[in-house]
Amino acid sequence: DTGVSQDPRHKITKRGQNVTFRCDPISEHNRLYWYRQTLGQGPEFLTYFQNEAQLEKSRLLSDRFSAERPKGSFSTLEIQRTEQGDSAMYLCASSVTGGVDTGELFFGEGSRLTVL
Amino acid sequence: LAKTTQPISMDSYEGQEVNITCSHNNIATNDYITWYQQFPSQGPRFIIQGYKTKVTNEVASLFIPADRKSSTLSLPRVSLSDTAVYYCLGSHGSSNTGKLIFGQGTTLQVKP
Repeated sequence: DTGVSQDPRHKITKRGQNVTFRCDPISEHNRLYWYRQTLGQGPEFLTYFQNEAQLEKSRLLSDRFSAERPKGSFSTLEIQRTEQGDSAMYLCASSVTGGVDTGELFFGEGSRLTVL
Repeated sequence: LAKTTQPISMDSYEGQEVNITCSHNNIATNDYITWYQQFPSQGPRFIIQGYKTKVTNEVASLFIPADRKSSTLSLPRVSLSDTAVYYCLGSHGSSNTGKLIFGQGTTLQVKP
């Protein structure tokens, strides 16, 4: 499977613990995005990378959230001191620049976080 | 990016054609209209994109009138497996970020 891969698919943690999610984008894609989705809502943009550079962060991304893409390939999203309000599906997507940008993002299946 | 408005939910029956209309009154000249589909517990999936007039692929058709203030996604002869949330978005044709802004989408329920 050469699609976007996310790990773990499900994570249950206790409030106050740290969690980390990993995303492996499609190999030739230089853009990588993180979104968060809660029940009944559309995905909300969190941040995006072009290669290893983090070029935009949403105001939704509090100081407890940090994302990295150290070598311009896979990315991690860490949440420190989790709160119950962090419970959501965390979606990763990737795309490729160059030529006409069709706006097509390729999404992974997401990592579902439950904070108890 | 254009703010879009679409119905929260729609019901249909198997075999019917479904049309979902999206309003985007402030669409910019270089914005494309893009539709995504999302099944429960999966990430959204690109369906179709257009700039104006009509676009058709193996999944759907997209109709965009000349003023581009609205668009209609048409799903021919839906089946139960088309039950999903459908998102209408504006996206830049020559993007600076490629970022997409999702609204609440339209939940389509197909009944037998």
